[in-house]
Amino acid sequence: EPEVTQTPSHQVTQMGQEVILRCVPISNHLYFYWYRQILGQKVEFLVSFYNNEISEKSEIFDDQFSVERPDGSNFTLKIRSTKLEDSAMYFCACHPGTSGRRSSYNEQFFGPGTRLTVL
Amino acid sequence: QKEVEQDPGPLSVPEGAIVSLNCTYSNSAFQYFMWYRQYSRKGPELLMYTYSSGNKEDGRFTAQVDKSSKYISLFIRDSQPSDSATYLCAMSFSLGTPLVFGKGTRLSVIA
Repeated sequence: EPEVTQTPSHQVTQMGQEVILRCVPISNHLYFYWYRQILGQKVEFLVSFYNNEISEKSEIFDDQFSVERPDGSNFTLKIRSTKLEDSAMYFCACHPGTSGRRSSYNEQFFGPGTRLTVL
Repeated sequence: QKEVEQDPGPLSVPEGAIVSLNCTYSNSAFQYFMWYRQYSRKGPELLMYTYSSGNKEDGRFTAQVDKSSKYISLFIRDSQPSDSATYLCAMSFSLGTPLVFGKGTRLSVIA
């Protein structure tokens, strides 16, 4: 069964450093997302990406964050200058889109996550 | 007022019990409703999804949506120790739009 993959599984970085989190979504899916989950907190939406551009972003997704889909398979989240409060699990997700059929649901498939620790 | 409320538990039940998990929400514009299961330090795994009001059954799992009450439920019949996980409700406004999650309910099924 196709699945979303993410690398690395765990990233440790120093405050102020740049990190890039990588995701390979399910092939032929059209919508891509990044979410994060601070330990003990809700899963929170960061950004969605469709048709090679950001379609929506939350107030968390400030100028320190950027996303890119550099080729047909990878989807990346970059944090330019990490802060202590960026420590969290970061999940990539994707959605197939309508694919020519009437879609009566909105399921998103999640990757296993990257645990980011900022020291 | 928080958008999606979910009792965090923890909830502990004996094996074979029927489990009822619930979420309430405040925004009547939500149209799509999902339940995810999350094991410790893993990504959310989609369990059930429904559109608008009604019931949906899949094996031991039944999802219910009552839009008039802004209330959704997940029932697990004949619960198993392997069902022990955190259950997250999630909802969205339309196709492709971001999911808004509840905080999750931690469930333990004791053998």
